[in-house]
Amino acid sequence: EIVLTQSPATLSLSPGERATLSCRASQSVSSYLAWYQQKPGQAPRLLIYDASNRATGIPARFSGSGSGTDFTLTISSLEPEDFAVYYCQQRSNWLFTFGPGTKVDIK
Amino acid sequence: EVQLVQSGAEVKKPGESLKISCKGSGYSFTSYWIGWVRQMPGKGLEWMGIIYPGDSDTRYSPSFQGQVTISADKSISTAYLQWSSLKASDTAMYYCVRGDWYFDLWGRGTLVTVSS
Repeated sequence: EIVLTQSPATLSLSPGERATLSCRASQSVSSYLAWYQQKPGQAPRLLIYDASNRATGIPARFSGSGSGTDFTLTISSLEPEDFAVYYCQQRSNWLFTFGPGTKVDIK
Repeated sequence: EVQLVQSGAEVKKPGESLKISCKGSGYSFTSYWIGWVRQMPGKGLEWMGIIYPGDSDTRYSPSFQGQVTISADKSISTAYLQWSSLKASDTAMYYCVRGDWYFDLWGRGTLVTVSS
């Protein structure tokens, strides 16, 4: 089973700042990596798929990069609604795993 | 509107059985995989399993194999997650999701509480 590790666990930033979140896989997942955002009391929503493609309706301030084992989600300028928990996810051999999440909170 | 509509919250006792549902609408239900994701209180996301309603091909996470059963009734565009004997540790929010590589559509979740 491929294990995903996310860092940092918590990121404390102010609105307008740039957020850089990391996801590392225990073995290569090629570009088959997705990112999700979850706000309190809500279901997660898909932000990025195939490492760098924005899902429908996702603002351009969200971008994804990476391949193989190292991936990054960047929020170029944090809006108040972006403070949430972010998860990465992969699928390999019909086994899906999520990372433990990074919480982006207000500094 | 494309959506997954889940059944309501449940409160059960240990040892009881339960079946929760997820109804797809606004798209071709038989053409997309439907999965289930668990989120225990205050914790992260765990993939449980997935089913293709078109032919009922089903895959399970090793962590949940034998613990739950996933099924679907394509005639009513509904997927199910069921337990034969609940435990307190099954207390969680359960989300149904659409997709076979990543999950582009999520239900709002069904909260299952198991308590004596």
